[in-house]
Amino acid sequence: GDSVTQMEGPVTLSEEACLTINCTYTATGYPSLFWYVQYPGEGLQLLLKATKADDKGSNKGFEATYRKETTSFHLEKGSVQVSDSAVYFCALRLQGGSEKLVFGKGTKLTVNP
Amino acid sequence: NAGVTQTPKFQVLKTGQSMTLQCAQDMNHEYMSWYRQDPGMGLRLIHYSVGAGITDQGEVPNGYNVSRSTTEDFPLRLLSAAPSQTSVYFCASSYGTGVGANVLTFGAGSRLTVL
Repeated sequence: GDSVTQMEGPVTLSEEACLTINCTYTATGYPSLFWYVQYPGEGLQLLLKATKADDKGSNKGFEATYRKETTSFHLEKGSVQVSDSAVYFCALRLQGGSEKLVFGKGTKLTVNP
Repeated sequence: NAGVTQTPKFQVLKTGQSMTLQCAQDMNHEYMSWYRQDPGMGLRLIHYSVGAGITDQGEVPNGYNVSRSTTEDFPLRLLSAAPSQTSVYFCASSYGTGVGANVLTFGAGSRLTVL
């Protein structure tokens, strides 16, 4: 079935380090892809999205490129901050007909000063 | 403030009790959904609705009921609570079509403990 696989966490980095969180998916057709972020004690909020192959989503210094050939949507940031500490979720929405999102299990990021 | 409002934020139940988690949105979103979040499991879809009067099951619907009598409200009912339903529950909504479709707006969550 359709699924999203994220790298296992937790991930701990020092401030200004580079971040990559891997995300791969299994789906038929051309799904839309999303990264959501959950800050401590809050609900999830959209970080960025891409709706077709080779699209790059970006927001708050984070980027992810929709790679159809490798079925991937890795999240990257060149220099993380303490305020980026959160849980990050990769998700997909199937092409056509369904409003449902399928989420990965989440990756917890902790950034130390 | 526009958004998704969930109540209560915290609830403790005994096994076998029933309760309703409330969810309301004021953004005129057609699509509403309930997820549960468990450690190591991510978010799993319980039920969803694409409009008033229309509901459908998600990945883990057993033990939960929903209804959608208005566009704004989408309550989640636990008929006979079980310890396996201890979780954090999130309500989320979005436009069904157009630019905002599938960009979910989440509530702050409801933490439920079943003893």
